[in-house]
Amino acid sequence: DQQVKQNSPSLSVQEGRISILNCDYTNSMFDYFLWYKKYPAEGPTFLISISSIKDKNEDGRFTVFLNKSAKHLSLHIVPSQPGDSAVYFCAARPNSGYALNFGKGTSLLVTP
Amino acid sequence: DADVTQTPRNRITKTGKRIMLECSQTKGHDRMYWYRQDPGLGLQLIYYSFDVKDINKGEISDGYSVSRQAQAKFSLSLESAIPNQTALYFCATSDGTTGGYTFGSGTRLTVV
Repeated sequence: DQQVKQNSPSLSVQEGRISILNCDYTNSMFDYFLWYKKYPAEGPTFLISISSIKDKNEDGRFTVFLNKSAKHLSLHIVPSQPGDSAVYFCAARPNSGYALNFGKGTSLLVTP
Repeated sequence: DADVTQTPRNRITKTGKRIMLECSQTKGHDRMYWYRQDPGLGLQLIYYSFDVKDINKGEISDGYSVSRQAQAKFSLSLESAIPNQTALYFCATSDGTTGGYTFGSGTRLTVV
């Protein structure tokens, strides 16, 4: 049963605009949430994370928001750039220390 | 040199053959993981190891086995390959703190 869900397989955004990628989870026992970015023919790379005790974490153009009551997190990219075009995976770590659970990914295309 | 190296990068094998995928890391991390990526299914955990003497099954371990030869080496074997094991395989490591993983570049396996 998928505990981390990314319901939008793809998203297209114009350069300079905001990209918002969404993720929902079903298990309250996650202590960290992470976003990974993947280019074709490469492994995923870590982008940004947030602890379950926070509701926002910002790193440059990337901000992750966590809404625990809704079991929802989102990644905001502002401004979006063509180099941001990639597949983005949402992941969650159980507080038992088990391995990460990944969503199915959202393919972001940023057009000039 | 990459922090996490996977060999081979690409492999075509026949149904019924035994095949080993290798992973080595220079991060000094204790934790290592094998994930499989199929189109539209995200990353699914096959096996994970929290130290040399600790091996655990993930959500899709059937048909696979692993060996943790050293802290830096974690190999994945398909005992008798079948076509539905055609996928992209990723090895990853972590230090177990915030949950961030370092991934290898992947092995694209095709079983014909």
